[in-house]
Amino acid sequence: GESVGLHLPTLSVQEGDNSIINCAYSNSASDYFIWYKQESGKGPQFIIDIRSNMDKRQGQRVTVLLNKTVKHLSLQIAATQPGDSAVYFCAETPDYKLSFGAGTTVTVRA
Amino acid sequence: GAGVSQSPSNKVTEKGKDVELRCDPISGHTALYWYRQSLGQGLEFLIYFQGNSAPDKSGLPSDRFSAERTGGSVSTLTIQRTQQEDSAVYLCASSLGGGAGTGELFFGEGSRLTVL
Repeated sequence: GESVGLHLPTLSVQEGDNSIINCAYSNSASDYFIWYKQESGKGPQFIIDIRSNMDKRQGQRVTVLLNKTVKHLSLQIAATQPGDSAVYFCAETPDYKLSFGAGTTVTVRA
Repeated sequence: GAGVSQSPSNKVTEKGKDVELRCDPISGHTALYWYRQSLGQGLEFLIYFQGNSAPDKSGLPSDRFSAERTGGSVSTLTIQRTQQEDSAVYLCASSLGGGAGTGELFFGEGSRLTVL
């Protein structure tokens, strides 16, 4: 079946540096993509989304890039802070059913 | 509270017992989802409710799993004759409108199920 996956399961980042988390997806019918952040013991929290008619979207300290040609999604976090330590999931959907990747664990070093 | 509420937050049960997990979505949200998250894994879709439409049950792993949503609000996920492989965190999410493609999903904190 089709799947969403992340390139790396873990990422260690120095506080203050920029973080880049990558995700590959395979469902060419997907037209809506979301990044979620999940802290330990909590449910996933929405970070930012992007539709397939866009290739870049910016939020507060976060940017999502979408490359439909190679089916690649990335999340950039500027000036990474200790509070950014969490598991990050990309998700995709062509309709209402979100498919999630396995997640990347981001650890911020002081 | 204003968020999605799930209960119990933790449930330990013996193999073969039935369990019920409850989800109170955000008031006014018509779409409701159940997902399962095994240790260190991503989220696995279980079931989707939208208003009065027939639910999408395509993600339920076996006939031991069932869910209902009463009055378009509260939902209960029932697992009969629990097995050890059912151990996971069960997450509920709700959304205003048609679901993921039309609006943000808000997740609860989950119900952690441990089957001994």
